[in-house]
Amino acid sequence: AQKVTQAQTEISVVEKEDVTLDCVYETRDTTYYLFWYKQPPSGELVFLIRRNSFDEQNEISGRYSWNFQKSTSSFNFTITASQVVDSAVYFCALSERPRDTGNQFYFGTGTSLTVIP
Amino acid sequence: NAGVTQTPKFRVLKTGQSMTLLCAQDMNHEYMYWYRQDPGMGLRLIHYSVGEGTTAKGEVPDGYNVSRLKKQNFLLGLESAAPSQTSVYFCASSQAAYDTQYFGPGTRLTVL
Repeated sequence: AQKVTQAQTEISVVEKEDVTLDCVYETRDTTYYLFWYKQPPSGELVFLIRRNSFDEQNEISGRYSWNFQKSTSSFNFTITASQVVDSAVYFCALSERPRDTGNQFYFGTGTSLTVIP
Repeated sequence: NAGVTQTPKFRVLKTGQSMTLLCAQDMNHEYMYWYRQDPGMGLRLIHYSVGEGTTAKGEVPDGYNVSRLKKQNFLLGLESAAPSQTSVYFCASSQAAYDTQYFGPGTRLTVL
């Protein structure tokens, strides 16, 4: 089962439109962290935000905002007044308590955002 | 402060050849990771290390080996490359288990 689900594979918006990227996660831990990363066409992975499970306050950074709702296990990302430079693949990720073996950091499959000028 | 660097950036191998990918970080991070990224599958963890001299398997470890002889370096080896290992490989590091992972620029590997 997917730990992190990004149901939107591709989104296209016209410049200056607002866009929300959805992220749903699954964990049984009470302590965990959620992340968003951006991967522009150049290929590098750029960290955007880290949020712990005890802090449900929404966060705003410029045109970016994040809505964390534990009740629905969602951590959605909104870009306001989108710009062409926002075109990228965006990944949501979950970090939970390390187990004896295997993963503790899980990425979603990404949402490819295209902003049309 | 270079962050996380990866060598090489590109490589083409023939089936059966071996190679080593080098990851280096200058942030004094304890944890290091190797991921592979394939279209439509996001990033999948291959191996990781929680400190110098330690390694552990991730989600897709088969066909790969790793070593962490020095804290700042994490090597990923392919002993006998297969076409299924054609991918983009990312290295990352973090200070602790829950911390933000910082990524290298990636290595694009093609196995013919």
